[in-house]
Amino acid sequence: QKEVEQNSGPLSVPEGAIASLNCTYSDRGSQSFFWYRQYSGKSPELIMSIYSNGDKEDGRFTAQLNKASQYVSLLIRDSQPSDSATYLCAAGGRDDKIIFGKGTRLHILP
Amino acid sequence: EPEVTQTPSHQVTQMGQEVILRCVPISNHLYFYWYRQILGQKVEFLVSFYNNEISEKSEIFDDQFSVERPDGSNFTLKIRSTKLEDSAMYFCASRYMRAGGAETQYFGPGTRLLVL
Repeated sequence: QKEVEQNSGPLSVPEGAIASLNCTYSDRGSQSFFWYRQYSGKSPELIMSIYSNGDKEDGRFTAQLNKASQYVSLLIRDSQPSDSATYLCAAGGRDDKIIFGKGTRLHILP
Repeated sequence: EPEVTQTPSHQVTQMGQEVILRCVPISNHLYFYWYRQILGQKVEFLVSFYNNEISEKSEIFDDQFSVERPDGSNFTLKIRSTKLEDSAMYFCASRYMRAGGAETQYFGPGTRLLVL
């Protein structure tokens, strides 16, 4: 059974600080990795995608992938209250389906 | 910016009734998906669809479910005889390239289905 594991949180981070979200996945065949942000009652919104080992930066967001450790992370710099949401880690493989984690609730403290 | 749209936004139905959820994927996308999210739980893959046929389906997608692309724009999910446990948010998604490509799936706003 392919799984994506995340700490459910909540993770509380002061405004302006760095929020660090982590995720592990079980399927070594996974090839693509995604971070989605989901506000309550809304659909997942893509934040970052990453396909190769290392870091990928986009604005205040940095995704990190370590395939050897089967580990994906997301760093949010200069956290804002609007970043408060549930962050979903997801992994995709050859079989054209994306497996989601349960999500980590992030709360940015003003 | 192009986006995936879904109708209706909310659907209330009686147990045993048929429902059809509708989606209009992004126009140049070739791969289409349905996911569901039961309240408080994770997003679960239901089915993927390409070239007018199902390419993958999960164990959730049993004989009660079917998908169709009746014309060049709509993508539908039908639940033939709804059960209480079908109550969930249903998301449609679309992608231009297949898994492993440099594209990802873009989600619609969802249809909240409540089965009474």
